[in-house]
Amino acid sequence: EVQLVESGGGLVQPGGSLRLSCAASGFTFSSYEMNWVRQAPGKGLEWVSYISSSGSTIYYADSVKGRFTISRDNAKNSLYLQMNSLRAEDTAVYYCARDKQLVSFDYWGQGTLVTVSS
Amino acid sequence: DIQMTQSPSSVSASVGDRVTITCRASQGISSWLAWYQQKPGKAPKLLIYAASSLQSGVPSRFSGSGSGTDFTLTISSLQPEDFATYYCQQANSFPRTFGQGTRLEIK
Repeated sequence: EVQLVESGGGLVQPGGSLRLSCAASGFTFSSYEMNWVRQAPGKGLEWVSYISSSGSTIYYADSVKGRFTISRDNAKNSLYLQMNSLRAEDTAVYYCARDKQLVSFDYWGQGTLVTVSS
Repeated sequence: DIQMTQSPSSVSASVGDRVTITCRASQGISSWLAWYQQKPGKAPKLLIYAASSLQSGVPSRFSGSGSGTDFTLTISSLQPEDFATYYCQQANSFPRTFGQGTRLEIK
């Protein structure tokens, strides 16, 4: 059974940093591209970042470019999102999502809430 | 960036009704479109990928069609568990973008 479990969310002050993790199981993690998608409270879905299976290709949404860094450790079956210079508008539930052959996101984690507030 | 526009933003329907949700892309995306269902407090669930391919395990009452810029998600006979919010998403290019969502409510 495919499982994605996010962790690392919490309350952080504006300008602060946070590192999210996503532990993957039930599939060959090193063979799949991965993504982070977020959802602000009461709002729609926003794609945040993509990383290829090897980690060699990375994309970011303009809203996080230069502040967030996606990475992965295939030996640990884990995906990460380093978030720096956090702003109030980054407050959201952050989901990791497996990429289905660049067509869609076929499996999602349960999400982890990041709250940026003083 | 490719903008995705869904209509309607919300719809009220009854169990057994046929419902259609539309998604329009700001430029052609071939068939690079997916549909998701999201229930409150839960992660989104993939329903349809490549515009018309049914994800494994999804009931056959869900169907998708379209190509280019105009797409539809149809639920042929609404069931109680179908009341949720639905999102389209383009996979033609980065940044990946979602529609604003369509909330399907019980009439």
